[in-house]
Amino acid sequence: EAQVTQNPRYLITVTGKKLTVTCSQNMNHEYMSWYRQDPGLGLRQIYYSMNVEVTDKGDVPEGYKVSRKEKRNFPLILESPSPNQTSLYFCASSLARAGDEQYFGPGTRLTVT
Amino acid sequence: GESVGLHLPTLSVQEGDNSIINCAYSNSASDYFIWYKQESGKGPQFIIDIRSNMDKRQGQRVTVLLNKTVKHLSLQIAATQPGDSAVYFCAENISGNQFYFGTGTSLTVIP
Repeated sequence: EAQVTQNPRYLITVTGKKLTVTCSQNMNHEYMSWYRQDPGLGLRQIYYSMNVEVTDKGDVPEGYKVSRKEKRNFPLILESPSPNQTSLYFCASSLARAGDEQYFGPGTRLTVT
Repeated sequence: GESVGLHLPTLSVQEGDNSIINCAYSNSASDYFIWYKQESGKGPQFIIDIRSNMDKRQGQRVTVLLNKTVKHLSLQIAATQPGDSAVYFCAENISGNQFYFGTGTSLTVIP
């Protein structure tokens, strides 16, 4: 089944404790992206990747890092999480570019206390 | 950032009626638009897209209209069903790399 998976689905952590949210897609997509979703603000793009070893900042990249060492994986790293990073995070992928249909993962709900 | 907004945050329609969800965008350089549906507890799901060289596109029970003159996008759902109850987002794409999403409209279908 073609899908985007994220882990963990739920995470509660404390300020400053490094964490990684994994994202994997099995569709051989080149483009992958991370979004955060907050009430009243909709989805905002954090980082995106056009292909392996190619990443770029989205609208709200501060406090996040990403890597794209393999085509299928695009982990989101929070080196020192803060409470304002409490949010619902979605990973997405598309075939070749952001202009193609994006497939979204199920989401990761992160709480930073 | 870009401004992509929706005219109405909530919409209630009777089952069987048609629904129209509106979206305004601010960047005239946007060349690709997508409508997504998000059900509670799930990620956004692609519904239909349209490129800026078109003004109308139809799918199964859905139609997207693009008015570039006033920078307005709409999603029409025919014969709305209870399963259509969800939050609907429009998104605009500029230069193929970044997406900007609206805040969403919550559609409730009354049986």
